[in-house]
Amino acid sequence: AQKVTQAQTEISVVEKEDVTLDCVYETRDTTYYLFWYKQPPSGELVFLIRRNSFDEQNEISGRYSWNFQKSTSSFNFTITASQVVDSAVYFCALSEPRSNDYKLSFGAGTTVTVRA
Amino acid sequence: GAVVSQHPSWVICKSGTSVKIECRSLDFQATTMFWYRQFPKQSLMLMATSNEGSKATYEQGVEKDKFLINHASLTLSTLTVTSAHPEDSSFYICSARDASVSTDTQYFGPGTRLTVL
Repeated sequence: AQKVTQAQTEISVVEKEDVTLDCVYETRDTTYYLFWYKQPPSGELVFLIRRNSFDEQNEISGRYSWNFQKSTSSFNFTITASQVVDSAVYFCALSEPRSNDYKLSFGAGTTVTVRA
Repeated sequence: GAVVSQHPSWVICKSGTSVKIECRSLDFQATTMFWYRQFPKQSLMLMATSNEGSKATYEQGVEKDKFLINHASLTLSTLTVTSAHPEDSSFYICSARDASVSTDTQYFGPGTRLTVL
């Protein structure tokens, strides 16, 4: 069964629009970690955020913000006022220390294209 | 911040040859490193977990005799693709787990693009 679901395969927006990427996860562990990574065309994965299951505070970092809701098992990511440099594939990932030894389960990824 | 390097960044080889890819954590110690492969327009697929000083743990369906992993030190893991064939052509990415207190995050290398002719 897919542990991390990113339902949006591709999103295309015009510069300065906001874009929200959905991530739904599934786990039986009470302690787990959620991540977002960005993969630009160069291929390198860039770490964006790590959130543990006990911390439901939403976080904002510049134009990026994350909405973690345990009740719906979601960890959505919003880019505000998007820029062309935000064009990339974004992956949501889940780490389950107890049941999966810290291995990362990745979603399928969402390709974001920001047009000038 | 945590930096992971991979070498080489790309390699082209003939079918039947072996290719070694190095993964290094530059500013932290990594008792655990992970090896992934990624096909075009797909997600990352975990191949194996590399633990310093012990044998690697391979995911189901990954041939351990074909993909040899050695984790010789706390900052270096190597993946050797033996007798490479065109179907092994892929993007190989390593990550290193920073297990220091309160972080426990995987940092990824820049990847190695392997093309087997």
